[in-house]
Amino acid sequence: AQSVAQPEDQVNVAEGNPLTVKCTYSVSGNPYLFWYVQYPNRGLQFLLKYITGDNLVKGSYGFEAEFNKSQTSFHLKKPSALVSDSALYFCAVRDRGSGGSYIPTFGRGTSLIVHP
Amino acid sequence: NAGVTQTPKFRVLKTGQSMTLLCAQDMNHEYMYWYRQDPGMGLRLIHYSVGEGTTAKGEVPDGYNVSRLKKQNFLLGLESAAPSQTSVYFCASSGSGAPYQPQHFGDGTRLSIL
Repeated sequence: AQSVAQPEDQVNVAEGNPLTVKCTYSVSGNPYLFWYVQYPNRGLQFLLKYITGDNLVKGSYGFEAEFNKSQTSFHLKKPSALVSDSALYFCAVRDRGSGGSYIPTFGRGTSLIVHP
Repeated sequence: NAGVTQTPKFRVLKTGQSMTLLCAQDMNHEYMYWYRQDPGMGLRLIHYSVGEGTTAKGEVPDGYNVSRLKKQNFLLGLESAAPSQTSVYFCASSGSGAPYQPQHFGDGTRLSIL
C-alpha cells in the first residue's frame, strides 16, 4: 500500500523569504514522488518529480524538492517566495513495487499564502 | 496542443437527473483518470482506464459509470445525481511508457446538484 501525508493545511510566508511545504510518504518499495500546483479555478500542473539519483530535484518556477529516504520525506522548497506562488500544492507518490500500477496517491494539499 | 479538455465547465443538476462529463486528450496517452476534489479531501480517484476499451474502479466509484470507447476520450456518467456528488471533477491522463510520467490535468467541471 502507498500513502502520502501533507501535515500542514496552510503555510504562510512573507514575500522574499524561503518557503517549505512538507510531504511524507509510505510505500512498500521505492517511491516515485511528484509535486503539483493548482491555481484557482485551474487543474493541477506538474512541478517536479523524483525518480532516482540526486536527492535534490529542481523543477519549474524556481521550485526544488529534497528527497530524504531515511525520513521518508519529499519537502518542496523555494529560496525566495513570490506573491504569485500563492496556490494549492499537492504531493503524490507511486510505489515502484506496485506491480506496474500507474495509479498515484495524492496528499490532501497544502495552501501556500505568500504575503506582500 | 490543447492537452486535456473537459466539457462542460459548469453544470447545475437537480437530484435524480443524469448527465455525462466528457474528457478529451490529444497526447496519445494510454492512461486516463477521473477524480473529484472536495474541500479538505484532496483528490479522490473515481475510475480510471489503462487503455481503450478498459476501465477500473478507483477509491470512490459508487454512483458513477465510465466508458473509454476511443483512446482519446474518457466519459464519466452520473446515472441519478445526488447532492453528495456536488464537487469539482478533474480528468487527467498519462503516458504508459513509464510509471514515473506525470499526469496532465484538465481545468475541471464544477457540478452542483440541487
